Amino acid sequence: ILNVEQSPQSLHVQEGDSTNFTCSFPSSNFYALHWYRWETAKSPEALFVMTLNGDEKKKGRISATLNTKEGYSYLYIKGSQPEDSATYLCACMDTGRRALTFGSGTRLQVQP
Amino acid sequence: DSGVTQTPKHLITATGQRVTLRCSPRSGDLSVYWYQQSLDQGLQFLIQYYNGEERAKGNILERFSAQQFPDLHSELNLSSLELGDSALYFCASSVGDRGGTGELFFGEGSRLTVL
Repeated sequence: ILNVEQSPQSLHVQEGDSTNFTCSFPSSNFYALHWYRWETAKSPEALFVMTLNGDEKKKGRISATLNTKEGYSYLYIKGSQPEDSATYLCACMDTGRRALTFGSGTRLQVQP
Repeated sequence: DSGVTQTPKHLITATGQRVTLRCSPRSGDLSVYWYQQSLDQGLQFLIQYYNGEERAKGNILERFSAQQFPDLHSELNLSSLELGDSALYFCASSVGDRGGTGELFFGEGSRLTVL
Protein backbone atom coordinates (compact mmCIF):
# COMPACT_ATOMS: atom_id res chain seq x y z
CA ILE A 1 0.00 0.00 0.00
CA LEU A 2 1.42 3.38 -1.00
CA ASN A 3 1.93 6.08 1.62
CA VAL A 4 0.39 9.26 0.24
CA GLU A 5 0.60 12.26 2.54
CA GLN A 6 -1.00 15.66 2.15
CA SER A 7 -0.22 18.86 3.98
CA PRO A 8 -1.52 20.89 5.54
CA GLN A 9 -4.52 19.02 6.87
CA SER A 10 -6.58 22.19 6.78
CA LEU A 11 -6.17 25.77 5.69
CA HIS A 12 -8.13 28.97 6.25
CA VAL A 13 -7.44 31.85 3.87
CA GLN A 14 -9.07 35.14 2.99
CA GLU A 15 -10.76 35.76 -0.32
CA GLY A 16 -8.14 36.89 -2.82
CA ASP A 17 -5.24 35.07 -1.16
CA SER A 18 -3.21 32.62 -3.18
CA THR A 19 -2.46 29.32 -1.57
CA ASN A 20 -0.80 25.99 -2.20
CA PHE A 21 -0.84 22.48 -0.78
CA THR A 22 1.54 19.54 -0.99
CA CYS A 23 1.12 15.89 -1.82
CA SER A 24 4.03 13.55 -1.05
CA PHE A 25 4.36 10.02 -2.37
CA PRO A 26 7.03 7.36 -2.84
CA SER A 27 9.24 8.37 -5.77
CA SER A 28 10.14 4.80 -6.70
CA ASN A 29 7.90 2.99 -9.18
CA PHE A 30 5.73 6.05 -9.78
CA TYR A 31 3.01 5.72 -12.40
CA ALA A 32 0.39 8.46 -12.05
CA LEU A 33 -0.88 11.18 -9.75
CA HIS A 34 -4.42 12.53 -9.57
CA TRP A 35 -5.88 15.62 -7.90
CA TYR A 36 -9.55 15.72 -6.96
CA ARG A 37 -11.74 18.44 -5.52
CA TRP A 38 -14.42 17.34 -3.04
CA GLU A 39 -17.10 19.79 -2.02
CA THR A 40 -19.23 19.07 1.02
CA ALA A 41 -22.27 16.90 0.25
CA LYS A 42 -21.01 16.24 -3.27
CA SER A 43 -18.77 13.63 -4.85
CA PRO A 44 -15.06 14.08 -5.63
CA GLU A 45 -14.36 15.55 -9.07
CA ALA A 46 -11.12 15.17 -10.97
CA LEU A 47 -8.94 18.25 -11.42
CA PHE A 48 -5.78 16.85 -12.93
CA VAL A 49 -4.14 13.57 -13.91
CA MET A 50 -0.37 13.81 -14.20
CA THR A 51 2.17 11.22 -15.22
CA LEU A 52 5.41 12.87 -16.34
CA ASN A 53 8.12 14.42 -14.19
CA GLY A 54 7.94 18.18 -14.58
CA ASP A 55 4.29 18.11 -15.68
CA GLU A 56 2.44 21.35 -15.08
CA LYS A 57 -1.32 21.54 -15.58
CA LYS A 58 -3.72 24.45 -15.24
CA LYS A 59 -7.47 24.84 -15.04
CA GLY A 60 -8.58 28.41 -14.53
CA ARG A 61 -7.05 29.70 -11.30
CA ILE A 62 -5.91 26.24 -10.22
CA SER A 63 -2.64 24.69 -11.32
CA ALA A 64 -0.51 21.72 -10.32
CA THR A 65 3.08 20.61 -10.70
CA LEU A 66 4.66 17.20 -10.43
CA ASN A 67 8.14 16.11 -9.33
CA THR A 68 8.38 12.35 -9.57
CA LYS A 69 12.09 12.21 -8.76
CA GLU A 70 11.59 13.65 -5.31
CA GLY A 71 8.04 12.40 -4.87
CA TYR A 72 5.85 15.46 -4.51
CA SER A 73 3.16 17.47 -6.25
CA TYR A 74 1.96 20.99 -5.50
CA LEU A 75 -1.54 22.32 -6.08
CA TYR A 76 -1.81 26.10 -6.37
CA ILE A 77 -4.91 28.26 -6.20
CA LYS A 78 -4.48 31.84 -7.32
CA GLY A 79 -6.81 34.48 -5.88
CA SER A 80 -8.91 32.10 -3.77
CA GLN A 81 -12.67 32.55 -3.88
CA PRO A 82 -15.28 31.28 -1.38
CA GLU A 83 -16.43 28.76 -3.98
CA ASP A 84 -12.95 27.19 -3.84
CA SER A 85 -13.78 25.97 -0.33
CA ALA A 86 -13.53 22.19 -0.51
CA THR A 87 -11.31 19.27 0.38
CA TYR A 88 -8.55 18.68 -2.15
CA LEU A 89 -7.47 15.07 -2.49
CA CYS A 90 -4.44 13.68 -4.20
CA ALA A 91 -4.11 10.04 -5.20
CA CYS A 92 -1.14 8.09 -6.45
CA MET A 93 -0.63 4.91 -8.39
CA ASP A 94 2.63 2.98 -8.73
CA THR A 95 3.80 0.79 -11.58
CA GLY A 96 2.10 -2.19 -9.96
CA ARG A 97 -1.04 -0.37 -11.08
CA ARG A 98 -3.24 -2.09 -8.61
CA ALA A 99 -5.21 0.85 -7.26
CA LEU A 100 -5.23 4.58 -6.75
CA THR A 101 -4.24 5.32 -3.15
CA PHE A 102 -5.69 8.52 -1.76
CA GLY A 103 -4.22 10.90 0.75
CA SER A 104 -6.34 12.24 3.60
CA GLY A 105 -6.87 15.55 1.86
CA THR A 106 -6.38 19.24 2.57
CA ARG A 107 -9.52 21.04 3.68
CA LEU A 108 -9.56 24.59 2.37
CA GLN A 109 -11.87 27.25 3.79
CA VAL A 110 -11.94 30.61 1.99
CA GLN A 111 -13.42 33.44 4.05
CA PRO A 112 -15.24 36.19 2.11
CA ASP B 1 -23.56 15.06 -12.37
CA SER B 2 -20.76 12.52 -12.87
CA GLY B 3 -23.03 9.97 -14.54
CA VAL B 4 -22.31 7.39 -11.82
CA THR B 5 -25.40 6.36 -9.90
CA GLN B 6 -25.36 4.84 -6.44
CA THR B 7 -28.28 3.49 -4.44
CA PRO B 8 -29.36 3.75 -1.74
CA LYS B 9 -28.09 7.18 -0.69
CA HIS B 10 -28.68 6.44 2.97
CA LEU B 11 -29.09 3.18 4.83
CA ILE B 12 -29.57 2.49 8.53
CA THR B 13 -29.37 -1.05 9.78
CA ALA B 14 -28.46 -3.10 12.83
CA THR B 15 -25.35 -5.04 13.74
CA GLY B 16 -25.26 -8.54 12.29
CA GLN B 17 -27.36 -7.60 9.27
CA ARG B 18 -26.46 -7.74 5.59
CA VAL B 19 -26.84 -4.95 3.04
CA THR B 20 -26.24 -4.52 -0.67
CA LEU B 21 -25.03 -1.30 -2.24
CA ARG B 22 -25.54 -0.79 -5.92
CA CYS B 23 -23.60 1.20 -8.49
CA SER B 24 -24.25 1.97 -12.14
CA PRO B 25 -21.13 3.29 -13.88
CA ARG B 26 -20.94 6.10 -16.39
CA SER B 27 -22.06 5.06 -19.84
CA GLY B 28 -19.10 3.48 -21.64
CA ASP B 29 -16.97 2.96 -18.54
CA LEU B 30 -15.87 -0.63 -18.02
CA SER B 31 -14.17 -0.29 -14.63
CA VAL B 32 -15.92 0.07 -11.31
CA TYR B 33 -14.11 0.84 -8.06
CA TRP B 34 -15.39 0.75 -4.50
CA TYR B 35 -13.96 3.01 -1.81
CA GLN B 36 -14.83 3.35 1.86
CA GLN B 37 -14.58 6.58 3.79
CA SER B 38 -14.85 6.19 7.55
CA LEU B 39 -14.89 9.04 10.04
CA ASP B 40 -11.63 11.01 9.96
CA GLN B 41 -10.09 8.68 7.41
CA GLY B 42 -9.30 9.13 3.77
CA LEU B 43 -10.78 7.14 0.94
CA GLN B 44 -9.79 3.51 1.42
CA PHE B 45 -9.72 1.36 -1.70
CA LEU B 46 -11.77 -1.82 -1.42
CA ILE B 47 -11.98 -3.49 -4.81
CA GLN B 48 -12.02 -2.93 -8.56
CA TYR B 49 -13.82 -4.74 -11.36
CA TYR B 50 -13.16 -4.41 -15.06
CA ASN B 51 -15.69 -5.72 -17.56
CA GLY B 52 -17.01 -8.26 -15.10
CA GLU B 53 -13.70 -9.48 -13.72
CA GLU B 54 -11.99 -8.61 -10.45
CA ARG B 55 -8.86 -6.58 -11.24
CA ALA B 56 -7.53 -5.30 -7.95
CA LYS B 57 -8.23 -5.82 -4.30
CA GLY B 58 -7.51 -3.53 -1.39
CA ASN B 59 -8.11 -4.00 2.30
CA ILE B 60 -11.55 -5.46 1.80
CA LEU B 61 -12.82 -7.50 4.72
CA GLU B 62 -13.82 -11.13 4.18
CA ARG B 63 -17.35 -10.15 5.28
CA PHE B 64 -17.55 -7.90 2.22
CA SER B 65 -17.89 -9.09 -1.35
CA ALA B 66 -18.59 -7.48 -4.68
CA GLN B 67 -19.40 -8.36 -8.25
CA GLN B 68 -19.88 -6.69 -11.58
CA PHE B 69 -22.71 -7.89 -13.78
CA PRO B 70 -22.86 -8.23 -17.60
CA ASP B 71 -24.62 -4.87 -17.84
CA LEU B 72 -21.59 -3.46 -15.95
CA HIS B 73 -23.44 -2.40 -12.84
CA SER B 74 -21.81 -3.49 -9.62
CA GLU B 75 -22.98 -4.49 -6.17
CA LEU B 76 -21.07 -4.39 -2.91
CA ASN B 77 -22.38 -6.82 -0.31
CA LEU B 78 -21.63 -6.17 3.33
CA SER B 79 -22.54 -8.91 5.79
CA SER B 80 -22.39 -9.53 9.55
CA LEU B 81 -22.29 -5.79 9.93
CA GLU B 82 -20.43 -4.21 12.81
CA LEU B 83 -20.58 -0.69 14.23
CA GLY B 84 -17.22 0.05 12.63
CA ASP B 85 -18.63 -0.58 9.17
CA SER B 86 -20.55 2.68 9.39
CA ALA B 87 -19.07 4.78 6.61
CA LEU B 88 -19.63 6.50 3.31
CA TYR B 89 -19.16 4.01 0.48
CA PHE B 90 -18.21 5.47 -2.87
CA CYS B 91 -18.37 3.87 -6.24
CA ALA B 92 -16.28 5.29 -9.07
CA SER B 93 -15.90 4.34 -12.70
CA SER B 94 -13.35 4.83 -15.44
CA VAL B 95 -13.00 3.86 -19.06
CA GLY B 96 -9.84 1.80 -18.77
CA ASP B 97 -8.86 -1.10 -16.60
CA ARG B 98 -6.39 0.53 -14.24
CA GLY B 99 -7.54 4.11 -13.68
CA GLY B 100 -3.96 5.28 -13.78
CA THR B 101 -3.96 7.79 -16.57
CA GLY B 102 -7.73 8.14 -16.77
CA GLU B 103 -9.66 10.07 -14.17
CA LEU B 104 -12.19 8.42 -11.90
CA PHE B 105 -15.80 9.56 -11.91
CA PHE B 106 -17.40 9.23 -8.50
CA GLY B 107 -20.97 8.62 -7.49
CA GLU B 108 -22.53 10.55 -4.63
CA GLY B 109 -21.94 7.73 -2.19
CA SER B 110 -24.05 5.50 0.00
CA ARG B 111 -23.99 6.43 3.68
CA LEU B 112 -24.30 3.34 5.84
CA THR B 113 -25.10 3.65 9.52
CA VAL B 114 -24.93 0.51 11.64
CA LEU B 115 -26.66 0.77 15.00
